[in-house]
Amino acid sequence: AQTVTQSQPEMSVQEAETVTLSCTYDTSESDYYLFWYKQPPSRQMILVIRQEAYKQQNATENRFSVNFQKAAKSFSLKISDSQLGDAAMYFCAYRNYGGATNKLIFGTGTLLAVQP
Amino acid sequence: EPEVTQTPSHQVTQMGQEVILRCVPISNHLYFYWYRQILGQKVEFLVSFYNNEISEKSEIFDDQFSVERPDGSNFTLKIRSTKLEDSAMYFCASRGLAGVRTDTQYFGPGTRLTVL
Repeated sequence: AQTVTQSQPEMSVQEAETVTLSCTYDTSESDYYLFWYKQPPSRQMILVIRQEAYKQQNATENRFSVNFQKAAKSFSLKISDSQLGDAAMYFCAYRNYGGATNKLIFGTGTLLAVQP
Repeated sequence: EPEVTQTPSHQVTQMGQEVILRCVPISNHLYFYWYRQILGQKVEFLVSFYNNEISEKSEIFDDQFSVERPDGSNFTLKIRSTKLEDSAMYFCASRGLAGVRTDTQYFGPGTRLTVL
């Protein structure tokens, strides 16, 4: 069974600085998707960024980028120029490619604090 | 931009009562999901639904739970006899079949269920 591990329960960053959140996963599949979701205090789940495993190029969305290392099964999220609104719980998630088993498997989350 | 909606935002019920949580997925989406998040814990998959039937369910999704798509727009989760441990945030999500970003599940804002 696939698993997702986030080893940093909490992280803190100064406003305008850069922070990296770690995520590792375990799977025997070769095709899959990886996601980072943000959950602010409102508890809504907001998609931050996604990566297809078959793509070697790391995904980027404005200030958010990932470092996807397929062989190491690592998928870290880098937030550049951190803003106060980035403070939230961040969840890493995995999904198999195709088939009926398309559920998301989440990690335990990293709580990010942004200091002014 | 289309979004998933959920009602009610907060439901308080007595133990043993039946509750129905409602979701309106994005209109052209064909895969529907329910997830649960107990306070302070990670998001857990409950069930996925496609083509008017359950495609996968977790061990949490026992006989007390059921899902239904009663019409072309709503997707419901019913808990027949609520227990204290059912208190959680329940998220609905949907995913498209064709078009852009079909691999991504879009989440609703959640329903907070409190069982007393």
